[in-house]
Amino acid sequence: DTEVTQTPKHLVMGMTNKKSLKCEQHMGHRAMYWYKQKAKKPPELMFVYSYEKLSINESVPSRFSPECPNSSLLNLHLHALQPEDSALYLCASSQEGWPGNQPQHFGDGTRLSIL
Amino acid sequence: QKEVEQNSGPLSVPEGAIASLNCTYSDRGSQSFFWYRQYSGKSPELIMFIYSNGDKEDGRFTAQLNKASQYVSLLIRDSQPSDSATYLCAVPDNFGNEKLTFGTGTRLTIIP
Repeated sequence: DTEVTQTPKHLVMGMTNKKSLKCEQHMGHRAMYWYKQKAKKPPELMFVYSYEKLSINESVPSRFSPECPNSSLLNLHLHALQPEDSALYLCASSQEGWPGNQPQHFGDGTRLSIL
Repeated sequence: QKEVEQNSGPLSVPEGAIASLNCTYSDRGSQSFFWYRQYSGKSPELIMFIYSNGDKEDGRFTAQLNKASQYVSLLIRDSQPSDSATYLCAVPDNFGNEKLTFGTGTRLTIIP
């Protein structure tokens, strides 16, 4: 079990649906991340929140909308996704530090399938 | 563009032997290095991190860092079948922006 909790573990949705992925950590970490991972590829950064503010958006399509309601929670709102968006979505958190030398801890991920 | 390179494998090692995984990086200013283990269908799990030149040992795992040659390696002693996984090398940016660059990962198989 990890200290970063993601729900749901699996999600199947149609291209017209709206759904949300949730992530929670209680380690007092100040940076939280969303990654997308396709099979046999490394994780690909999508968004970074630092002290509850969006600090990095890696040119992610607007059909993915992140939200950080507080320092422990991170959501990823999904709308009008495409079949190629099917992947493992990972949340991670870390203590913020310079020069970015704090390791990131990952949740178990949400396996997303778009029909 | 920062690059982190790993041999994708598969790397096959007999049970009980030492598995050696290597990673090279392009940014000479990189300060920190992380090794993650990822089982098939699971999320990455941090197993080692190293900041200083030399060796760092944790149980059966040893991370080795050589900044002059820009490589970092992970040794697994007394390899077990449960060590079979993909090992990802990750290097943070030097600008405090929390970005990690991952290598493509090395798939390790321990043969009983």
